[in-house]
Amino acid sequence: DAGVIQSPRHEVTEMGQEVTLRCKPISGHNSLFWYRQTMMRGLELLIYFNNNVPIDDSGMPEDRFSAKMPNASFSTLKIQPSEPRDSAVYFCASSRGHPPQHFGDGTRLSIL
Amino acid sequence: DQQVKQNSPSLSVQEGRISILNCDYTNSMFDYFLWYKKYPAEGPTFLISISSIKDKNEDGRFTVFLNKSAKHLSLHIVPSQPGDSAVYFCAASGTGGGNKLTFGTGTQLKVEL
Repeated sequence: DAGVIQSPRHEVTEMGQEVTLRCKPISGHNSLFWYRQTMMRGLELLIYFNNNVPIDDSGMPEDRFSAKMPNASFSTLKIQPSEPRDSAVYFCASSRGHPPQHFGDGTRLSIL
Repeated sequence: DQQVKQNSPSLSVQEGRISILNCDYTNSMFDYFLWYKKYPAEGPTFLISISSIKDKNEDGRFTVFLNKSAKHLSLHIVPSQPGDSAVYFCAASGTGGGNKLTFGTGTQLKVEL
């Protein structure tokens, strides 16, 4: 079975640009999660969806961050405008409505 | 406020010996605990879990122990192998938290030959 698929794997862009990260969850999973991993804060939950509906976005750092899940097989995390402090590894994970969550291999984002 | 804590950032163990990774939590509402393993440039991979109704769960070389009164859990790996070298994350979920997991900051395990 295919796991969680994230794209791109690496993204380097200049400050102020819009960044869009993409995620395809495991088929049949109805919960989707976006995490950010940094040295300072570790692995922190940004937002999660159940059945395509955002349930908890309390971890989204600022209005510059937004996430959508238009259907059960696709989600995006957008940063506009991007800033150097947004540089991190962003992970997407999915589950069947209960743990465990299954993670993608992440997007390494560098904002110059 | 770090609700799940892994106080040892790193651990080095000889091949064949036991590795013990520790995790403490503060939230009494947590009732399900998981361990994930992470290799560089990959996402975390689920390893083993335990419900708060149990105090031990075993899967091959991996055993998780839960001490609810101390709000402490540990992961034992016996025998340790070089391929076990990775970062290990403890995570917790609980009633009222929905499907959310709260992660610790991780422990880097190095198994030496």
